[in-house]
Amino acid sequence: DADVTQTPRNRITKTGKRIMLECSQTKGHDRMYWYRQDPGLGLRLIYYSFDVKDINKGEISDGYSVSRQAQAKFSLSLESAIPNQTALYFCATKTEGNTEAFFGQGTRLTVV
Amino acid sequence: DQQVKQNSPSLSVQEGRISILNCDYTNSMFDYFLWYKKYPAEGPTFLISISSIKDKNEDGRFTVFLNKSAKHLSLHIVPSQPGDSAVYFCAASARGGTSYGKLTFGQGTILTVHP
Repeated sequence: DADVTQTPRNRITKTGKRIMLECSQTKGHDRMYWYRQDPGLGLRLIYYSFDVKDINKGEISDGYSVSRQAQAKFSLSLESAIPNQTALYFCATKTEGNTEAFFGQGTRLTVV
Repeated sequence: DQQVKQNSPSLSVQEGRISILNCDYTNSMFDYFLWYKKYPAEGPTFLISISSIKDKNEDGRFTVFLNKSAKHLSLHIVPSQPGDSAVYFCAASARGGTSYGKLTFGQGTILTVHP
């Protein structure tokens, strides 16, 4: 089983709909992150959390919200999806300090 | 404000030759640098890293070089293999400031290794 699991893997939704992307991890890491990948723009940080009571905005948080339900779970919501939120979304986890982050397999979201 | 930049969107090399991927950064607080590799339909996977106290780190066919004065790092793959064909992302983190605790990524470079 994957250490970082994202659901769903693919989703097509309509403009204006609310959608939630879920992430769970079995690595026991405190820190969790949501990134989106767009062609030519790399991975950009949406939100991150250092523990269950800590939520921080990343560089592109507008139009998104998150919930850290437990140490192992971090969900990303689009309250009212719009077409320019069509992208590949990745969840990641890491420990404190200079360590690498571990990524899930991604969720491909299409907003029509 | 792109703090980590990979100015080459793509690179094509012949199998057996050296691949050199470049990355520049602007934030002087960055003190840890990483390279990730990404295949289609998969998440990025960690490849190699380097701390700012070093100027070189080697792991098998992969070597990362850091030039702090130029705020530049590079990934060398020798010899290149067709299985190395992927998107490579450079990333950086800092011990303090606004970049504390998070990884800032470059735009990625698509490497294609031809047999």
